Amino acid sequence: ETGVTQSPTHLIKTRGQQVTLRCSSQSGHNTVSWYQQALGQGPQFIFQYYREEENGRGNFPPRFSGLQFPNYSSELNVNALELDDSALYLCASSLDGQRTNYGYTFGSGTRLTVV
Amino acid sequence: QQPVQSPQAVILREGEDAVINCSSSKALYSVHWYRQKHGEAPVFLMILLKGGEQKGHEKISASFNEKKQQSSLYLTASQLSYSGTYFCGTVGGYQKVTFGTGTKLQVIP
Repeated sequence: ETGVTQSPTHLIKTRGQQVTLRCSSQSGHNTVSWYQQALGQGPQFIFQYYREEENGRGNFPPRFSGLQFPNYSSELNVNALELDDSALYLCASSLDGQRTNYGYTFGSGTRLTVV
Repeated sequence: QQPVQSPQAVILREGEDAVINCSSSKALYSVHWYRQKHGEAPVFLMILLKGGEQKGHEKISASFNEKKQQSSLYLTASQLSYSGTYFCGTVGGYQKVTFGTGTKLQVIP
């Protein structure tokens, strides 16, 4: 089975620009969660998508938005980039967002640098 | 609110044991444990469910005290490959995983 793949692996953007990050979920998984991880910190929850609907959101402003497609792949969009948005963005897929007893499979992440 | 882990960091010699604790201020449905090596994605270790059912793999065990809203991860006879940062992830009402502050573990020869 294929794991979770994210693209691109690294990205450098200028403050004020917009960025789109992509994630392909593991085969058979219908739930995708996005996390932001600053250096030396634990991952912070951005939002989760379950069967193409947003299924919970963390304390992130509306300029962070997302989509999930019928094949359960997902995008994270960030508008009006700020320097503090520089971080590792992790995508995690799981079997069923409505239940708690499945672990997450993480992608390798996208390292975003805002200059 | 982010779960608090202790200790923040620990250094072990190969073969030694360690315990990592995770404490939440909220009622929990389950607790996940992950290990992240430097520059890599977190890797799922195991999950502990309310009511005692446990899932996981590798030679690592964990406990979950629902009343105290705490979980502990037990690493026995540590190996060099155990090095990394360990995160607990708690699941409350929104079915999302909230990750803890992390525990950096280094195993030396």
